[in-house]
Amino acid sequence: DTEVTQTPKHLVMGMTNKKSLKCEQHMGHRAMYWYKQKAKKPPELMFVYSYEKLSINESVPSRFSPECPNSSLLNLHLHALQPEDSALYLCASSQDLSPETQYFGPGTRLLVL
Amino acid sequence: GENVEQHPSTLSVQEGDSAVIKCTYSDSASNYFPWYKQELGKRPQLIIDIRSNVGEKKDQRIAVTLNKTAKHFSLHITETQPEDSAVYFCAASRNSGYSTLTFGKGTMLLVSP
Repeated sequence: DTEVTQTPKHLVMGMTNKKSLKCEQHMGHRAMYWYKQKAKKPPELMFVYSYEKLSINESVPSRFSPECPNSSLLNLHLHALQPEDSALYLCASSQDLSPETQYFGPGTRLLVL
Repeated sequence: GENVEQHPSTLSVQEGDSAVIKCTYSDSASNYFPWYKQELGKRPQLIIDIRSNVGEKKDQRIAVTLNKTAKHFSLHITETQPEDSAVYFCAASRNSGYSTLTFGKGTMLLVSP
């Protein structure tokens, strides 16, 4: 399996809802990433996990909570989001944290009402 | 931190023409430079990458050149086809501790038949 998968593809949530995004890879990669991408902008790094431990948090608001249950799975828990959080959320993975190719999942398109 | 500038922001060419996208970076310690292609509504996909120990790399119609002294690298697409139309992002990464990608702002390439 050479792909990163993400579910759901689309998500609409209210500002009081709690939801989770899921990312999975079976390439044996030990680094996994969450990015946020607004229309016509580059991906913006949110979190980095290395060997299942949070390595980087790019000053992301606490309403976004990442979790790495095992080496193949990465979750992003969402709570009390704002309309400006509407975006494409991309997951990526790489062999490790040294400069290696990052493979992106298809993303979850999130709309916060 | 690293800063990556990308030009042009939009590039329109006729089918069969060549296209060149240029990026400059600020951190002389950066040593890995990938290029991603993102079609509308799709994930970013790696199309080619280059490391700082190499000056040029080619893959069929796509080539990347790197000038470490001037700190710039370029993507060259020859014999463009309508399916090359997409947003292209350059990125830079350094091999130092927790390495992450810094993206350029993207170039929208439009190839007219």
